[in-house]
Amino acid sequence: DQQVKQNSPSLSVQEGRISILNCDYTNSMFDYFLWYKKYPAEGPTFLISISSIKDKNEDGRFTVFLNKSAKHLSLHIVPSQPGDSAVYFCAASGVRDDKIIFGKGTRLHILP
Amino acid sequence: NAGVTQTPKFQVLKTGQSMTLQCAQDMNHNSMYWYRQDPGMGLRLIYYSASEGTTDKGEVPNGYNVSRLNKREFSLRLESAAPSQTSVYFCASSLQLSNEQFFGPGTRLTVL
Repeated sequence: DQQVKQNSPSLSVQEGRISILNCDYTNSMFDYFLWYKKYPAEGPTFLISISSIKDKNEDGRFTVFLNKSAKHLSLHIVPSQPGDSAVYFCAASGVRDDKIIFGKGTRLHILP
Repeated sequence: NAGVTQTPKFQVLKTGQSMTLQCAQDMNHNSMYWYRQDPGMGLRLIYYSASEGTTDKGEVPNGYNVSRLNKREFSLRLESAAPSQTSVYFCASSLQLSNEQFFGPGTRLTVL
């Protein structure tokens, strides 16, 4: 039973436009959400996170939005750049002693 | 500050051979993890160690064993390798279970 779902395996976006990556979760006890970015032949790297007490967190070109009632979060990248082409993993954790659960990832292609 | 290091980077085994993947972190983290990544399957947790002296099964533990040698090191052992264990293996660490994880560069394992 997948607790963290990324329903789009891949996404293509024109360079300079907005990329929106979506993630849904089923466990209402999750209270901390993260996005990771992974390039080929490298380990995933932490990108941005959001706590359930907020509905938006911004870091430069990256913004994460959280809709708790819909159990949905999204990552917005504006403007998209060629270096953003990577696999993006959504992740979530619950109470303090719970480990992080990862989604299956979405491959983002930024088109020139 | 090397972060999370993994050895070896690449390995080819024959069916039935055994090997140990090594992982070390220098961030004084309490929790460590082993994942495997297969195409279309995302990151699947094999085993984790919440703190020194403890280990627990993850989503796909069959065919693997782990040892938390000390706070810095967490090794993954394949006793009798099978072709189904061909994968990329990532080690990760975090300050606590629910904190963001830092990943190593990965080990690409092929079992013939």
